[in-house]
Amino acid sequence: GENVEQHPSTLSVQEGDSAVIKCTYSDSASNYFPWYKQELGKGPQLIIDIRSNVGEKKDQRIAVTLNKTAKHFSLHITETQPEDSAVYFCAASLGGSYIPTFGRGTSLIVHP
Amino acid sequence: AAGVIQSPRHLIKEKRETATLKCYPIPRHDTVYWYQQGPGQDPQFLISFYEKMQSDKGSIPDRFSAQQFSDYHSELNMSSLELGDSALYFCASSPAGGGDTEAFFGQGTRLTVV
Repeated sequence: GENVEQHPSTLSVQEGDSAVIKCTYSDSASNYFPWYKQELGKGPQLIIDIRSNVGEKKDQRIAVTLNKTAKHFSLHITETQPEDSAVYFCAASLGGSYIPTFGRGTSLIVHP
Repeated sequence: AAGVIQSPRHLIKEKRETATLKCYPIPRHDTVYWYQQGPGQDPQFLISFYEKMQSDKGSIPDRFSAQQFSDYHSELNMSSLELGDSALYFCASSPAGGGDTEAFFGQGTRLTVV
């Protein structure tokens, strides 16, 4: 089955800095890569996703890049704000089935 | 906009008791997924349903069962509860059988087994 590795497990930045979270996946058949933000006591919320036919996608302060050859993808958050503090999960999904395999999560702490 | 509704939000049960968790998907979403998230862990897929039929099965214990009803809501039934079952249980729904389409998660049910 699919195996998703996520690093770092904890990331601490100053407000205004950029944050980068990296993930690798094992199954080259995976073609859908969502990123979720989970705040304390809440369910994961999709913040951005990318499909295998795209190398980069951007939505305001967040962007995701995908390198299919290397089987890794990254989340980039620019101009971080304290409200960005949360646990972020990457995931990879095989074609034909939504069901994602999640990474272990990254706890992002943005210090004001 | 309507979201995925889960009930109850919190549940405390004793060992060996049973629990039923309910999930009401977003209207017109026909696919429901159940996940279990332990403390500090990533969500683990348990089971999913598409059009009231089980579509995929993950790491769901034999003590658990689930079903999707005619109105597309789903229930996760958990029997012979163990301390290790204490976790957040999330339900997610997506339209049109899933695939690489966005799924929306509910707020979760926090189950505590004492």
